[in-house]
Amino acid sequence: DAGVTQSPTHLIKTRGQHVTLRCSPISGHKSVSWYQQVLGQGPQFIFQYYEKEERGRGNFPDRFSARQFPNYSSELNVNALLLGDSALYLCASSLDVGRVVVGEQFFGPGTRLTVL
Amino acid sequence: AQSVSQHNHHVILSEAASLELGCNYSYGGTVNLFWYVQYPGQHLQLLLKYFSGDPLVKGIKGFEAEFIKSKFSFNLRKPSVQWSDTAEYFCAMNPGNGQNFVFGPGTRLSVLP
Repeated sequence: DAGVTQSPTHLIKTRGQHVTLRCSPISGHKSVSWYQQVLGQGPQFIFQYYEKEERGRGNFPDRFSARQFPNYSSELNVNALLLGDSALYLCASSLDVGRVVVGEQFFGPGTRLTVL
Repeated sequence: AQSVSQHNHHVILSEAASLELGCNYSYGGTVNLFWYVQYPGQHLQLLLKYFSGDPLVKGIKGFEAEFIKSKFSFNLRKPSVQWSDTAEYFCAMNPGNGQNFVFGPGTRLSVLP
């Protein structure tokens, strides 16, 4: 079975630009979460989507947005990029029942974003 | 506020030594607890998880963790580490109401052959 996939693998942008990161969950998983992992730190929660609805949002500015499509894939958008947005962006999917997380999250390989 | 702390930033051990990595969480209600491992160049992988029941949980590769509710702790243990255990270890919690995961800052484990 394919795991969680993310694209692109690496991305270099300049300040002020916007970026779109993509994620495909494991087949059958309806919940997708996004995390930012800065070098040397643990992942920080950005968003969680379930059945195309936002279920949770972390402490990130409005420049960060996301959406989930009918096939449960997801996009993370970041506008007006700052140098501090440079990080590994992780996507995770989980097999949830209803609106409650019941299991572990399976992580993708991440997208390494560098903002110059 | 929900948070997870990990006691050690970097642990260095020789092969066959015993391992214990500390993890404490801050949350007043029911929690689900996890340990994830990130081997060099690889994805985050689940080592073990605690949802309810026996507070001593066993995971993959000989790892185990004990949930002590009174201490808000979920320490990871392994009786004898191997060089291949060299990795970054993350403790995480998920509040029982099904909201987001909160990760600790991670502990880097280096096992010397």
